[in-house]
Amino acid sequence: GQQVMQIPQYQHVQEGEDFTTYCNSSTTLSNIQWYKQRPGGHPVFLIQLVKSGEVKKQKRLTFQFGEAKKNSSLHITATQTTDVGTYFCARLSMEYGNKLVFGAGTILRVKS
Amino acid sequence: GAGVSQSPSNKVTEKGKDVELRCDPISGHTALYWYRQSLGQGLEFLIYFQGNSAPDKSGLPSDRFSAERTGGSVSTLTIQRTQQEDSAVYLCASSLRASGTHNEQFFGPGTRLTVL
Repeated sequence: GQQVMQIPQYQHVQEGEDFTTYCNSSTTLSNIQWYKQRPGGHPVFLIQLVKSGEVKKQKRLTFQFGEAKKNSSLHITATQTTDVGTYFCARLSMEYGNKLVFGAGTILRVKS
Repeated sequence: GAGVSQSPSNKVTEKGKDVELRCDPISGHTALYWYRQSLGQGLEFLIYFQGNSAPDKSGLPSDRFSAERTGGSVSTLTIQRTQQEDSAVYLCASSLRASGTHNEQFFGPGTRLTVL
């Protein structure tokens, strides 16, 4: 199917360390979206990447779209306890009249 | 309203009873999605509406699950003869469009369903 694989499933870092989650696809992606879900909360849209090799930054978060548009990454510099949550990537599926297909998510825990 | 709203926020029901969950999307959003999320798990796609029609019902787990959307706005998800395995948080999301630009999804706070 048109699933996206996210790794790692879980990461526990010390506050101040960097964190990266990866999203991989076997097929070319038209775009990729990233969402964050805080514990007990609901997913919140972070960003959308469309262009090959695109890099976007939001403060300490850096989002990258691969040159071949088959992978994407989210990198957090100097994690803080407020970064705790699950990060999901999502791809647009052309099946069934267009819908987003979410990856399984990466759970981030930060030790202070 | 300013965001997607869902009701009830919590629902406890007995096995075998029917439940109805409601979603009010952001005004003007044409696409509406239902997901299910079990504790600590990812998002399980259930159904997607474009306007009032549902191009994709592939995620509905069984024929006990049904959903409708009227007037291109409010949607209800109905679960008949609930089972304990139906216990989860049911999330609704809407987007301005399903494809192209402006297809980012805005999620509601969810309905936590507990089947005893």
